[in-house]
Amino acid sequence: QQQVKQSPQSLIVQKGGISIINCAYENTAFDYFPWYQQFPGKGPALLIAIRPDVSEKKEGRFTISFNKSAKQFSLHIMDSQPGDSATYFCAASMAADKLIFGTGTRLQVFP
Amino acid sequence: DTAVSQTPKYLVTQMGNDKSIKCEQNLGHDTMYWYKQDSKKFLKIMFSYNNKELIINETVPNRFSPKSPDKAHLNLHINSLELGDSAVYFCASSQASGRAGNEQFFGPGTRLTVL
Repeated sequence: QQQVKQSPQSLIVQKGGISIINCAYENTAFDYFPWYQQFPGKGPALLIAIRPDVSEKKEGRFTISFNKSAKQFSLHIMDSQPGDSATYFCAASMAADKLIFGTGTRLQVFP
Repeated sequence: DTAVSQTPKYLVTQMGNDKSIKCEQNLGHDTMYWYKQDSKKFLKIMFSYNNKELIINETVPNRFSPKSPDKAHLNLHINSLELGDSAVYFCASSQASGRAGNEQFFGPGTRLTVL
């Protein structure tokens, strides 16, 4: 019940295309859903986050779509760029602040 | 200015040794964390401290002992290192505990290799 399932494991996208990464969770007590971006040799950095009272949140080229009834959320990267090539992690937490991470998606954007 | 810093960045040691990793944050945050990232990139929380008090202790072998001398520092001491301890260890901090939605800022990581 504490798991967050993430797919795909890896993703290859052409420059300018849309990258979509999906996550699913079981625990309905989760109330915070962030996405983290990690470049090789660096720590994860918060990209965008959403709460379950909102179905969509957009920040620049990055959008989270949230489906509370299906217990799923996804990250959409519009106009993907080579600089977006990184590993992306979805996560979920309750009020205790413990982040439960998904298994990660390695995104490669080719020019 | 570095927000969350860790030392050392790389640590190579023999099985059975004892080693420490240090973490410092200059963000004025109340809560600090240790995460372990394994070879498959899976990130899992190990410990969390709020104002020097342990608040999260996942199922981690008691060979791992966190120590927080003050709220800006959280060190991780590992006794009797084993091959399976090889991983990247990340320190993180956030504004406060008990409230979901506080962004966690991660350090650059310490890559531990046990031979």
